[in-house]
Amino acid sequence: GDSVTQMEGPVTLSEEAFLTINCTYTATGYPSLFWYVQYPGEGLQLLLKATKADDKGSNKGFEATYRKETTSFHLEKGSVQVSDSAVYFCALSGTSYGKLTFGQGTILTVHP
Amino acid sequence: NAGVTQTPKFQVLKTGQSMTLQCAQDMNHNSMYWYRQDPGMGLRLIYYSASEGTTDKGEVPNGYNVSRLNKREFSLRLESAAPSQTSVYFCASSAMRGGDEQYFGPGTRLTVT
Repeated sequence: GDSVTQMEGPVTLSEEAFLTINCTYTATGYPSLFWYVQYPGEGLQLLLKATKADDKGSNKGFEATYRKETTSFHLEKGSVQVSDSAVYFCALSGTSYGKLTFGQGTILTVHP
Repeated sequence: NAGVTQTPKFQVLKTGQSMTLQCAQDMNHNSMYWYRQDPGMGLRLIYYSASEGTTDKGEVPNGYNVSRLNKREFSLRLESAAPSQTSVYFCASSAMRGGDEQYFGPGTRLTVT
């Protein structure tokens, strides 16, 4: 079945540091890939998505490229801010009814 | 436009009690979902409703039932709560099947003692 594996956390960075959160997936066919973010005490919000190979999703300075050859969708940001502190989830949608399969989440803490 | 709303926000139950979690969306979405979130395990799908009038089991359906009351509302019922059901529950909706983003509610934090 479908599965998503994210890098182990938590990740702690200083403000303006470079961020990478690794995500790899296993799925049949051609899934859509997503990054969701969850701020403390809130529900999940879509951060970015990519629906086909080589697509790059981007939003709020975050980017991720759909790499079919390496089955990866790594999240990057060039300069993180304290306000980026949150939990980040990688997810895929590979079925006809739109079920999302999530990774376990990565806690990011950014210090001033 | 409130998006996806859930009630209640917090609930404490004793083992064996029952309760219903309510979810509503005002985006005219066809599909709705119930997930549970547990530490270190991401979100797991409990039940989903691909369209009004249909419901199907997800990854972890045991101990739960659902009702798609109409296109807007999708409720989750715990008939006899167990401590293993202590979790944060999220409702979500999407416009269509396959590849479309899901919009999440704020969650219900449930504790079963």
